[in-house]
Amino acid sequence: NAGVTQTPKFRVLKTGQSMTLLCAQDMNHEYMYWYRQDPGMGLRLIHYSVGEGTTAKGEVPDGYNVSRLKKQNFLLGLESAAPSQTSVYFCASSAWRESTGELFFGEGSRLTVL
Amino acid sequence: GQNIDQPTEMTATEGAIVQINCTYQTSGFNGLFWYQQHAGEAPTFLSYNVLDGLEEKGRFSSFLSRSKGYSYLLLKELQMKDSASYLCAVMDSNYQLIWGAGTKLIIKP
Repeated sequence: NAGVTQTPKFRVLKTGQSMTLLCAQDMNHEYMYWYRQDPGMGLRLIHYSVGEGTTAKGEVPDGYNVSRLKKQNFLLGLESAAPSQTSVYFCASSAWRESTGELFFGEGSRLTVL
Repeated sequence: GQNIDQPTEMTATEGAIVQINCTYQTSGFNGLFWYQQHAGEAPTFLSYNVLDGLEEKGRFSSFLSRSKGYSYLLLKELQMKDSASYLCAVMDSNYQLIWGAGTKLIIKP
């Protein structure tokens, strides 16, 4: 069972370069999320989506953009990467928000910006 | 501001019991969650509490006191595979999850 799949798993960028992280889920979930995880800090929500064609800002949206053109896919873009965006990025999905809140996470994408 | 506090690191012995505490201050409350995260891997769901009391699930139990803004995760009969970080998260009034920084649990033989 695939669940939530993220690509790429690892990426090294130079400052100013752009890239897109792809998240795909096969559980027909409505809600999808992008988090970043940094040492000594809790997971921080970047952007999220409550359904196909919708997106919303989370706690730390600056420097990132997202799109949810298809229900199963949630893309995270960095237009001009900065060293502060070096982090591990996790995509997650859930059936609905007002529930047990169980999130299903992808394996993570480790991004280094030089 | 919203805040989740949990110890940074704990050490326990294989076969023993360990309790990981979590205190929170959030704008509203719609449930508290515990996730397990092995090094280099994704978090996985462990438990959910929305009412006061103890929820037991095999070797793991989670307790909640909403009046005290307090929860703990209790792990019994510790195994080496329990070495991981344990993340506490609270769903606030806007149904957003607020995450603690995690407690790294080290199990020694």
